[in-house]
Amino acid sequence: KQEVTQIPAALSVPEGENLVLNCSFTDSAIYNLQWFRQDPGKGLTSLLLIQSSQREQTSGRLNASLDKSSGRSTLYIAASQPGDSATYLCAVRHSKLTFGKGITLSVRP
Amino acid sequence: EAGVTQSPTHLIKTRGQQVTLRCSPISGHTSVYWYQQALGLGLQFLLWYDEGEERNRGNFPPRFSGRQFPNYSSELNVNALELEDSALYLCASSSLGSAGWNTGELFFGEGSRLTVL
Repeated sequence: KQEVTQIPAALSVPEGENLVLNCSFTDSAIYNLQWFRQDPGKGLTSLLLIQSSQREQTSGRLNASLDKSSGRSTLYIAASQPGDSATYLCAVRHSKLTFGKGITLSVRP
Repeated sequence: EAGVTQSPTHLIKTRGQQVTLRCSPISGHTSVYWYQQALGLGLQFLLWYDEGEERNRGNFPPRFSGRQFPNYSSELNVNALELEDSALYLCASSSLGSAGWNTGELFFGEGSRLTVL
């Protein structure tokens, strides 16, 4: 059974910091991994999708990497801003899509 | 281009009632996924439909059911509502994906918030 873990559950940083959010999964037989952002009470917004054959993807200040062999992905956020405050979830696609419980990020002005 | 749309956005029901939630995928997407997000819990996979067929089902009782129509829109039905069914129900859609089956990017709607009293 695939398990996806995101630690820590919450993170608070001052504005301007570069930060790394971690995601680990137990079964490396995945099709892809996707990072999402969720604002309170809202749906999920797709940030980055990494296919199993890829090592990383970039979009603006965001960079996501994937190491299938070690069962890890990281989401790097450069020069964090208060508007980045949200819950960040990773999800791995195998026979279905399994989510981590998310990391709630707070960026202090 | 319209994103994934869900209706209703909010609804209140009482225990024992039945509810139907609706989802319209992004144009061209054939797969629809349903998830439950209860307060304090993570997203729990409910159902996956593709090309009108149920492809996979999460660990939920049979009173959770659904279907996908020829236009790829989908309904989630919950019978005999219980208090613990109160949650945000999220629908997502995806295309086939450039790397083949099951590799398309998922896009989510804003959800339907169900409160059971």
